[in-house]
Amino acid sequence: GAVVSQHPSWVICKSGTSVKIECRSLDFQATTMFWYRQFPKQSLMLMATSNEGSKATYEQGVEKDKFLINHASLTLSTLTVTSAHPEDSSFYICSARLARGFSNEQFFGPGTRLTVL
Amino acid sequence: DAKTTQPNSMESNEEEPVHLPCNHSTISGTDYIHWYRQLPSQGPEYVIHGLTSNVNNRMASLAIAEDRKSSTLILHRATLRDAAVYYCILRGAQKLVFGQGTRLTINP
Repeated sequence: GAVVSQHPSWVICKSGTSVKIECRSLDFQATTMFWYRQFPKQSLMLMATSNEGSKATYEQGVEKDKFLINHASLTLSTLTVTSAHPEDSSFYICSARLARGFSNEQFFGPGTRLTVL
Repeated sequence: DAKTTQPNSMESNEEEPVHLPCNHSTISGTDYIHWYRQLPSQGPEYVIHGLTSNVNNRMASLAIAEDRKSSTLILHRATLRDAAVYYCILRGAQKLVFGQGTRLTINP
């Protein structure tokens, strides 16, 4: 099956710093990637939809200036958490859809655990 | 996005079949029914999806009611590795929106 990777798998940073998380589709091209956030014991919450070469579409309540998304190529999307604060600590998960999805499957990365001190 | 309703938790024994229900009474004609599962500290894993007919793959079976207002994910012979949160999701538009899912516990 298609593989999506994320880097780093975990990160600890100080309050006020920015953190970049990479999401890569390893063996397929993805015109659309998605970013989710998950707090402990809760479900995944969709943050934004990212289309290659265009601006991301953010879900209601998600600050686009705080969570910067760049989808510069068909295999790479990045999420930058700017001026991170402890309340941004969470599990961030990306997913990617095949450019020509033969089965409409959406493949998820393993997640990145962010801890802001 | 159409809403799904799942039990918060279920429990089963190893090597027994498991039937995970999902209600989606507001499903529209073009919504696909997707199932994903998430193991602790991992990203969700695709399990199966269908539109109208029952579907089988190596992981599970999906039984869809004739009126499409409910569906059941069937794990034919549960193992300890099947312990996870299972999400039933309707997708018509582009995005997958997750509900609370069912936390499945497998007893040895």
